[in-house]
Amino acid sequence: GQSLEQPSEVTAVEGAIVQINCTYQTSGFYGLSWYQQHDGGAPTFLSYNGLDGLEETGRFSSFLSRSDSYGYLLLQELQMKDSASYFCAVRAGSARQLTFGSGTQLTVLP
Amino acid sequence: DAGVIQSPRHEVTEMGQEVTLRCKPISGHDYLFWYRQTMMRGLELLIYFNNNVPIDDSGMPEDRFSAKMPNASFSTLKIQPSEPRDSAVYFCASRRTGSNQPQHFGDGTRLSIL
Repeated sequence: GQSLEQPSEVTAVEGAIVQINCTYQTSGFYGLSWYQQHDGGAPTFLSYNGLDGLEETGRFSSFLSRSDSYGYLLLQELQMKDSASYFCAVRAGSARQLTFGSGTQLTVLP
Repeated sequence: DAGVIQSPRHEVTEMGQEVTLRCKPISGHDYLFWYRQTMMRGLELLIYFNNNVPIDDSGMPEDRFSAKMPNASFSTLKIQPSEPRDSAVYFCASRRTGSNQPQHFGDGTRLSIL
């Protein structure tokens, strides 16, 4: 099976930079995804890393190190609307389906 | 393009009743997933379909749960009989074939079993 670890909570102030880490244990790893979920809303896709390195999309970047079984999501120039839960998810195994972490609740303070 | 459409958005019913949740995936997506989200257990995959065929239902909690996909544009998740511990938000998601293809989630059905 797969297991993922990410912090349960992170707090930061508007305009700051925050990094949310994710470590995983799995076999047949294909890639690491990140999803954002606001309270009462649906998870929405943010990024995918299939190869080592950094992927940048606007204020958000995601990094993967396959050798370390580690990735992170970097959020820059934090805004109040970034307050949400962030989930890392691995695509692994013969079925290549997603397994989600337990989520990190990000609170952005004014 | 329309996203994944789920109905109903909210369902409140008494234990023992049958509950049917519905999902219309995005057109052209050949994978469909049913998830359950609770505070205690997080986001759990219940079952997924590929080209309307159930591939893995190992996440279905027990025989009270069943899912069907009669065609490419419709799927149901049924709970019979329902129990209070089934209370959760149920999400349907779909995606295209490809390891890097993102999953698109519906808005979910918030289910409360009294």
